Order: sequence, then structure tokens, then C-alpha cells
Amino acid sequence: DAMVIQNPRYQVTQFGKPVTLSCSQTLNHNVMYWYQQKSSQAPKLLFHYYDKDFNNEADTPDNFQSRRPNTSFCFLDIRSPGLGDAAMYLCATSRDSNTGVGNQPQHFGDGTRLSIL
Amino acid sequence: SQQGEEDPQALSIQEGENATMNCSYKTSINNLQWYRQNSGRGLVHLILIRSNEREKHSGRLRVTLDTSKKSSSLLITASRAADTASYFCATDPLYNFNKFYFGSGTKLNVKP
Repeated sequence: DAMVIQNPRYQVTQFGKPVTLSCSQTLNHNVMYWYQQKSSQAPKLLFHYYDKDFNNEADTPDNFQSRRPNTSFCFLDIRSPGLGDAAMYLCATSRDSNTGVGNQPQHFGDGTRLSIL
Repeated sequence: SQQGEEDPQALSIQEGENATMNCSYKTSINNLQWYRQNSGRGLVHLILIRSNEREKHSGRLRVTLDTSKKSSSLLITASRAADTASYFCATDPLYNFNKFYFGSGTKLNVKP
């Protein structure tokens, strides 16, 4: 089945130690998203790629970066994780939005839960 | 923040009852989508309603949209224990392609 896969499901890192989360998709969607979701809160959009075009949200900290080497893969790099970065990180994909029609539904992975020691 | 608000924050009902969740948002939109999230899992798309639609049905789900009030509701009829999850609305701001902003979510508990 076509899907969005996030690895690992659980990640533990030390305060200040860089960490990379990965996402892959077999849907061949050209848009990929990264969200941060803290306990009992809404997913918060960090950034998205439209093909290789990177779009950062204005309030996403500089500590968060992303790479998309090809259509199938997208990575979230946290350069110096702080305790406040402990959260679930969700990757999602969608087809390109249609002008005048709006966004297509998103397909989510099951997330990576990041803990900071 | 462009994120919307949902109410109630939590809802507990008996199996067989109907569940209604409301979403309010701040900006003009292209469409509004509803998603479901089981505990510890990713979100699953349920239904999409366009800004020129007022009501949409999918199985036991009924969604309404009132763009003049910037609000939407999700009704789940004849609820089942398996419907226990968090439900989020997501808005798609006008002229802001490929961006989504999620509401705060409603945590639904359906008791068997």
C-alpha cells in the first residue's frame, strides 16, 4: 500500500545533541510537510516543500531545518535540541493544491516521538 | 496565530449517541478539512468541504460550513467505541497554497 513512513517511531536524544528525523513516501506527492505536535495540542506547521521549493513558517525556530533530496524523502534536522523541543513530529504529504480550488487532503505518517534527556 | 478553535475540548458520550464538534477559524479559506487522530498515531483525513459548499455527508459523518460565521461542525451519528479519538479541523487559507492550519481539537470518548 502506498504510504508515508516515519523513522524512527521513538527517538531519544541528549540536550544540545543534533538529531535527524526521516520521512519517506510512496505516494509520489510533490508536497511534503513537517508538523510539531505537543501533548493535547494541535499540530503546528513548521515548514513544507513544494517539490524542491522550501517554505518556512515565520515562527519556526532557526534550530529546525529540513532537507528534501528527492521526491520520496524528507528529513527534519534539529541542530541543538532543547527540552521544549520534546514533541511528536509528524510528516505529511499531499498533491499540489489546485488554483481556485484549494488544498488536497494530506496523508500522514504515524510520527516520531522525540524525547530530550 | 491562524489556528482555529474547536469546542468542546473534550466530549464523552455513550455508544449509539451522536457527537457534534465545532470549529471556528479566523481567515477566509478555500476549503476546510476534518481529520481524526487515534492516540499516538498520525492524522487520518475524514472529509473535505469547499468554501462554496454548505453541507457534506460521508457515511456516518455530516459536515456543515458557514463561511459568514467562519465556523464548521462535524456530526458523527450512531457513534461507536471505535470512534474514540481526537478530531481536528484544518483550514486552507485563501491565496496561501499548500498550507494548513489546524484547530485545537476535540477529544471524543465513546463509552461502550
